[in-house]
Amino acid sequence: GEDVEQSLFLSVREGDSSVINCTYTDSSSTYLYWYKQEPGAGLQLLTYIFSNMDMKQDQRLTVLLNKKDKHLSLRIADTQTGDSAIYFCAESYMDSNYQLIWGAGTKLIIKP
Amino acid sequence: DTGVSQNPRHKITKRGQNVTFRCDPISEHNRLYWYRQTLGQGPEFLTYFQNEAQLEKSRLLSDRFSAERPKGSFSTLEIQRTEQGDSAMYLCASSGRAGADTGELFFGEGSRLTVL
Repeated sequence: GEDVEQSLFLSVREGDSSVINCTYTDSSSTYLYWYKQEPGAGLQLLTYIFSNMDMKQDQRLTVLLNKKDKHLSLRIADTQTGDSAIYFCAESYMDSNYQLIWGAGTKLIIKP
Repeated sequence: DTGVSQNPRHKITKRGQNVTFRCDPISEHNRLYWYRQTLGQGPEFLTYFQNEAQLEKSRLLSDRFSAERPKGSFSTLEIQRTEQGDSAMYLCASSGRAGADTGELFFGEGSRLTVL
């Protein structure tokens, strides 16, 4: 069945770039998403990429999609303390009314 | 529109009691989802509505759980005879803006349930 995998933790120094990786198994996904969850808060969509795109850039965020390897990454440039959160990767399928398959989340830890 | 609203934000109950959560989605959205999230995990799908029709329900969902969306607007999630294992954050999300549908989910802040 479908599966989305992420590493559980990533630790980076403030000011460095963070790269959070995600792999998925189903190649028929329509959209792939990155959601952010701060402690005690709900999930917030950061960005998404349509499955026929390779890259999307939005200010400090860059999403790379490698469909051949079924690999998605989120790069955060100039990481700040406010970026500390859990980042979830998810994929959806238009044919299934956009049901999302979620990863377990990567906790981003910022070191001063 | 102020986004997806959920209440209560936090509910503490004794085992065996019934609880009900309410979700008010974004008004233009036709899809509404309920998820459950426990610490250190991603959201776990519970059920999904297209307008007032409940189209899908997780096979893992106990029959103590029931959800309704009577007029295709707000939704309620009821848990009967609560158990300690039901303690979690219950998240509601909506999506499906006509003419601009990317499947993006807009989440509420969640309702945290603690069963003693």
